Amino acid sequence: GQQVMQIPQYQHVQEGEDFTTYCNSSTTLSNIQWYKQRPGGHPVFLIQLVKSGEVKKQKRLTFQFGEAKKNSSLHITATQTTDVGTYFCAGRWIYNQGGKLIFGQGTELSVKP
Amino acid sequence: DSGVTQTPKHLITATGQRVTLRCSPRSGDLSVYWYQQSLDQGLQFLIHYYNGEERAKGNILERFSAQQFPDLHSELNLSSLELGDSALYFCASSVDLAGVRGKNIQYFGAGTRLSVL
Repeated sequence: GQQVMQIPQYQHVQEGEDFTTYCNSSTTLSNIQWYKQRPGGHPVFLIQLVKSGEVKKQKRLTFQFGEAKKNSSLHITATQTTDVGTYFCAGRWIYNQGGKLIFGQGTELSVKP
Repeated sequence: DSGVTQTPKHLITATGQRVTLRCSPRSGDLSVYWYQQSLDQGLQFLIHYYNGEERAKGNILERFSAQQFPDLHSELNLSSLELGDSALYFCASSVDLAGVRGKNIQYFGAGTRLSVL
């Protein structure tokens, strides 16, 4: 079935270091979304990527969608303690039912001050 | 505040019991999605309703069922509960079906934490 693989599962960084999480699909995605879930919270939408090779930035966060639309990454520059949480990618395929999102397993980011 | 309301926040019950989780979507949103989140399984899609009709099913057990009512609120019914059903259950809503071009941002509620003892 359709699935999105996300790595790493956990990442521990020192404040100020960079962080990257990767998502990969075996089949071409129609679009991909990224969500952040703070500890004890609920997932919150960050961004959607639609076009092949698309790059979007939100302050220190850079999101990329691969040329083949099978992979995506989220890069955080100079992490801060406020970046702590789990980052999920969520893929949607052209022919899947009703636009459902399939979430990756998530990458849990911890930041040591 | 996402505008999605889930009740109850916490639920503690015993194996074999049946519970109902409730979700009120954001005003104007027609789609409701249910997800199960457990420690080792991430966010698992269960089911999607759009304007009262079931649109997609994920890995939802036969012991689980859901419905969306005319006022667009949704209920997830979990029966014959097992220890492994203990998890956080999220409801999310979006404005439309979203197709591949649509943005279809999903707004998540705070979740219901179910503990089966």
